[in-house]
Amino acid sequence: QKEVEQNSGPLSVPEGAIASLNCTYSDRGSQSFFWYRQYSGKSPELIMFIYSNGDKEDGRFTAQLNKASQYVSLLIRDSQPSDSATYLCAVNGGSNYKLTFGKGTLLTVNP
Amino acid sequence: DVKVTQSSRYLVKRTGEKVFLECVQDMDHENMFWYRQDPGLGLRLIYFSYDVKMKEKGDIPEGYSVSREKKERFSLILESASTNQTSMYLCASGGGRLYGYTFGSGTRLTVV
Repeated sequence: QKEVEQNSGPLSVPEGAIASLNCTYSDRGSQSFFWYRQYSGKSPELIMFIYSNGDKEDGRFTAQLNKASQYVSLLIRDSQPSDSATYLCAVNGGSNYKLTFGKGTLLTVNP
Repeated sequence: DVKVTQSSRYLVKRTGEKVFLECVQDMDHENMFWYRQDPGLGLRLIYFSYDVKMKEKGDIPEGYSVSREKKERFSLILESASTNQTSMYLCASGGGRLYGYTFGSGTRLTVV
């Protein structure tokens, strides 16, 4: 059973701080990794993807991947109250096209 | 942008009714998915389809069926709705393993 684990939170950070969201996965053959943001009552929205070890930056967001440790993270710099949402980690195994989702981490950014 | 459209945002149905949830995508994606999402349980895959007329069971297919007669349309059918099928239903489509999914806006179904 392929698993994706996330700390359910809630993770609470002050406005302007760095929020760090973590995810581990069990399938060592996984090839692509995604972060989704889901506001309360809304559907998930893709915000970042990463395929290679290392960091990938997009504006205030940085995705980090370490395949040896089977670990992927999302950093949000200069956190804003509008970043308050549940963040879902999703992993695509090497042999199929299905994503396995974690249960999500609830992030609250306090003004 | 990929658009995934779900036919209803909110739906209330009675126990025992047959319920159809429709999903249409406009990007010629091969893969389409139906999830339900419940508090504390995360996203759970009901069914998916990787081609027209093809379907595969996900993790929780019991009480559901699907239909994919055209590439752009993937329908979820609740054969006889029950109160434990009250949930948020999310449709998604995707173009392959290097691409994430795009989700529809969801249908919040209440079975009374």
